[in-house]
Amino acid sequence: EADIYQTPRYLVIGTGKKITLECSQTMGHDKMYWYQQDPGMELHLIHYSYGVNSTEKGDLSSESTVSRIRTEHFPLTLESARPSHTSQYLCASRPPGSNYGYTFGSGTRLTVV
Amino acid sequence: GDSVTQMEGPVTLSEEAFLTINCTYTATGYPSLFWYVQYPGEGLQLLLKATKADDKGSNKGFEATYRKETTSFHLEKGSVQVSDSAVYFCALTGNNAGNMLTFGGGTRLMVKP
Repeated sequence: EADIYQTPRYLVIGTGKKITLECSQTMGHDKMYWYQQDPGMELHLIHYSYGVNSTEKGDLSSESTVSRIRTEHFPLTLESARPSHTSQYLCASRPPGSNYGYTFGSGTRLTVV
Repeated sequence: GDSVTQMEGPVTLSEEAFLTINCTYTATGYPSLFWYVQYPGEGLQLLLKATKADDKGSNKGFEATYRKETTSFHLEKGSVQVSDSAVYFCALTGNNAGNMLTFGGGTRLMVKP
């Protein structure tokens, strides 16, 4: 039973379109993350947030943006999708403390044609 | 900085074979260590964890022991099943700001009947 939800699961969209990938969690976690996963499986951190009104860029440069207006909601937006944005996007959250891992959503597989 | 190194895959085994996936790490201090599993088309799920030296994490027949002297956290299972076919990620929580997780590159396991 997932406590973190991503929608849509799959999305095929044309070049130049604006898209928003949704991520919501019901656990009250302050820390949330967005990862991009390439076909080679490696995970790349693209954005993270430590709470409401807190957003930071991750290790991988990304043309996407995020917002954190509510604790439970951490959407990711691409203003103008390109084929290079085709990837799997994973959202995660975690409770405070270093002994806890992340809880991941099921992911959104994005294809830009 | 912190880093995690996993054995490269794919690892191909017959059903009921013994599994070892090697994981070594570099980190300052005393990180917590994790194994995640990703089934096809899904997000990552926490498989097991260990939070201090000599701890053994276990779940679903999988085990891993936190070895500080060899900075390792190898994943083992005595008898794999076809349903264990997935990608496995080793990760650690370092002493970076926010206790962010550092992931290894992932190891794909394929189990044949």
